[in-house]
Amino acid sequence: AQSVSQHNHHVILSEAASLELGCNYSYGGTVNLFWYVQYPGQHLQLLLKYFSGDPLVKGIKGFEAEFIKSKFSFNLRKPSVQWSDTAEYFCAVHNNNDMRFGAGTRLTVKP
Amino acid sequence: GAVVSQHPSRVICKSGTSVKIECRSLDFQATTMFWYRQFPKQSLMLMATSNEGSKATYEQGVEKDKFLINHASLTLSTLTVTSAHPEDSSFYICSARAQGGGYGYTFGSGTRLTVV
Repeated sequence: AQSVSQHNHHVILSEAASLELGCNYSYGGTVNLFWYVQYPGQHLQLLLKYFSGDPLVKGIKGFEAEFIKSKFSFNLRKPSVQWSDTAEYFCAVHNNNDMRFGAGTRLTVKP
Repeated sequence: GAVVSQHPSRVICKSGTSVKIECRSLDFQATTMFWYRQFPKQSLMLMATSNEGSKATYEQGVEKDKFLINHASLTLSTLTVTSAHPEDSSFYICSARAQGGGYGYTFGSGTRLTVV
């Protein structure tokens, strides 16, 4: 079955630390990839997306993600996190008519 | 873990008819559910926030009379697309937040609606 895996359930970092959140999927064929962020009490917001072209995608708030087709991965990165990045992060994969979300990774950034 | 069941996964309906989509939290109580819509080649867009026992809060530009949301219990929210038109064809997905808040957001598997 098609699936999306986010390896880390909860990540705790200090401010200015670097971040990498893993996302792997099991779809074959062409995929569209997304990272969303959800702050407490709020709805999803799009961080970045990949449809085609340069596999290194830059998003809002200093986030970026790299699509590695051979590894079926789309990891999210940020060089230096801030306290305001505390939120839950969801990876999503869209293939034809099917869209699946990962279980989410909670990021806690300590001041 | 928390599971959200969304039905149906695919539905084809005739123009002018109504379609109901169910979003059910199976093993937790969801005080808040979000309904999203995705247009082709775009990201999800929030349609409305549904709170148990009260009226849904709709985002600007979303017709509340067309997209009826009911959150009558802590485990069930429904989205009814009334008098559907081909432009309503889209992918709809719900997400539920567990009672007590925090980070307990879980997504349904989505519904592909095609209006012919």
